[in-house]
Amino acid sequence: AQTVTQSQPEMSVQEAETVTLSCTYDTSENNYYLFWYKQPPSRQMILVIRQEAYKQQNATENRFSVNFQKAAKSFSLKISDSQLGDTAMYFCAFTLYGGATNKLIFGTGTLLAVQP
Amino acid sequence: GAGVSQSPRYKVAKRGQDVALRCDPISGHVSLFWYQQALGQGPEFLTYFQNEAQLDKSGLPSDRFFAERPEGSVSTLKIQRTQQEDSAVYLCASSRQTSGGYHEQFFGPGTRLTVL
Repeated sequence: AQTVTQSQPEMSVQEAETVTLSCTYDTSENNYYLFWYKQPPSRQMILVIRQEAYKQQNATENRFSVNFQKAAKSFSLKISDSQLGDTAMYFCAFTLYGGATNKLIFGTGTLLAVQP
Repeated sequence: GAGVSQSPRYKVAKRGQDVALRCDPISGHVSLFWYQQALGQGPEFLTYFQNEAQLDKSGLPSDRFFAERPEGSVSTLKIQRTQQEDSAVYLCASSRQTSGGYHEQFFGPGTRLTVL
């Protein structure tokens, strides 16, 4: 069975600063996807960034980048130049490649507060 | 185009009542997922549809939970004889398809169910 662990329940960062959110996961499979989702107070879950396990290059999307360490089963999210709109709950998630359902397995989330 | 919509957005039920939660996926999306998100937790998978076929219901917590998608579009999650532990936000997500790699799941705003 796959599990996802986020050990930081809450984080705080000053506007314009950089923050890193941590995530570890456990799986015996070799091919999978990892994600970071953002859930603002309005509750609509939005995909922030995606990483395919077979790719060695870390994914980046504008101010968001990941540090994917496959051997260590670690997948952290770095947010650069933090903005007030980044305040949200962030979830790390996992799904198998080629799985029957592509269901997502989520961590418990990290509540990020960006302070002005 | 329109995103995933869910109704009602909020539902209060007395313990023992039956409830029905509706999900309207993005038009043309083949795959539909239901997740349950308890307070302060990450979403947990409930069930998955490909068109009208329910291919995975392994996450349904009890036989009081039932989901259907009779015409391969709108889906309804029904909970019979609600209990207090059913209180949660129920999220619906849809994606284009499952086969051929991963296709992004787009989430609805959720239905917050409170059982008194």
